Amino acid sequence: KQEVTQIPAALSVPEGENLVLNCSFTDSAIYNLQWFRQDPGKGLTSLLLIQSSQREQTSGRLNASLDKSSGRSTLYIAASQPGDSATYLCAAPQWGTYKYIFGTGTRLKVLA
Amino acid sequence: GAGVSQSPRYKVTKRGQDVALRCDPISGHVSLYWYRQALGQGPEFLTYFNYEAQQDKSGLPNDRFSAERPEGSISTLTIQRTEQRDSAMYRCASSLGPQGEQYFGPGTRLTVT
Repeated sequence: KQEVTQIPAALSVPEGENLVLNCSFTDSAIYNLQWFRQDPGKGLTSLLLIQSSQREQTSGRLNASLDKSSGRSTLYIAASQPGDSATYLCAAPQWGTYKYIFGTGTRLKVLA
Repeated sequence: GAGVSQSPRYKVTKRGQDVALRCDPISGHVSLYWYRQALGQGPEFLTYFNYEAQQDKSGLPNDRFSAERPEGSISTLTIQRTEQRDSAMYRCASSLGPQGEQYFGPGTRLTVT
């Protein structure tokens, strides 16, 4: 059974800092992992999808890495801005299914 | 093009009534997912469709919940004899294929009184 954990649960940083959000998963036989952003009271916005054959995926100031052997993915945010304040969620599939398991998210606050 | 749409956006119903929640995926997306999200939690998987075939319904809480996608496009999640514990945000997502990037709709906030 896939379990997804995100640490820390909350993070507050000053503007301009580079930061790393962590996502751990127990079942390493995944074919991909996806990162999402959720603003308060809003829907989920896809940020990055990493296929199992990839080790990294980049979009603008965001870089996501995937290490299946250790059951970890990290989301790196460069030069953080107040507009980056949101909850960041990762999701990984349960082996042999299309059932995606979400973490509980990291609530990020970037202070101006 | 248009994103995933869901209707209604808000639904208030009395305990014991049936409700139907609609999801209209992105055109051409063959995979469709239903999730339920409680406050402060990540989405919880309910069911998955590939075209019109419901390939995984392991997340449906009980037999009061059902879903269909008869023509491989629009999907309906139906909750019969609603209970207060069914109150939640119900979210739909679609992807181009089974292992593709998921795009979420705005959700339907269901309140059972």
